[in-house]
Amino acid sequence: KQEVTQIPAALSVPEGENLVLNCSFTDSAIYNLQWFRQDPGKGLTSLLLIQSSQREQTSGRLNASLDKSSGRSTLYIAASQPGDSATYLCAVVGSQGNLIFGKGTKLSVKP
Amino acid sequence: DGGITQSPKYLFRKEGQNVTLSCEQNLNHDAMYWYRQDPGQGLRLIYYSQIVNDFQKGDIAEGYSVSREKKESFPLTVTSAQKNPTAFYLCASRIVWAGLLDQPQHFGDGTRLSIL
Repeated sequence: KQEVTQIPAALSVPEGENLVLNCSFTDSAIYNLQWFRQDPGKGLTSLLLIQSSQREQTSGRLNASLDKSSGRSTLYIAASQPGDSATYLCAVVGSQGNLIFGKGTKLSVKP
Repeated sequence: DGGITQSPKYLFRKEGQNVTLSCEQNLNHDAMYWYRQDPGQGLRLIYYSQIVNDFQKGDIAEGYSVSREKKESFPLTVTSAQKNPTAFYLCASRIVWAGLLDQPQHFGDGTRLSIL
């Protein structure tokens, strides 16, 4: 059974720092991996989707990498800003197209 | 704009009452999903539907029911059998193209359900 783990559970950094969020999964036979952002009390906003054949995806200050063989993905956030404060969720696709989620990393960027 | 609309945003349930959460999408997506989120937990799959008039149980279907009479609608009923319904409920959809599973899911803004 696929399991997704995110480390750390919470992270607090000063503004301007570059940071890395980690995601690991137990079954390397994935179709894709998605990174989401969730603000308190809100739904999920898709940040990046990496197909199984890809190694990384970039969007602005965000870069996500995927290493299927080791069952790992990282989300790199450059020059962090207070507006980046949110919970970041990683998810892989299950056999019915559903998403299997990690518990998230709660990020706080201090001004 | 295309998207997924969940209503209501907040919902309160009395003991012994069934309540229904609405999820409507105008993305022309084939598959729809319901997830439950508890504090400090990842999202867990309740039910999903790949096509009209067909749906399947997810990991935590007990105490819930769904219907899929129209492509754009996938309502979730939280029955009185669900003893701990307080949670944040999220609906999602995705296109199904040639049976592939590599298309992204899109999410609504969620419904927060509480017990009175």
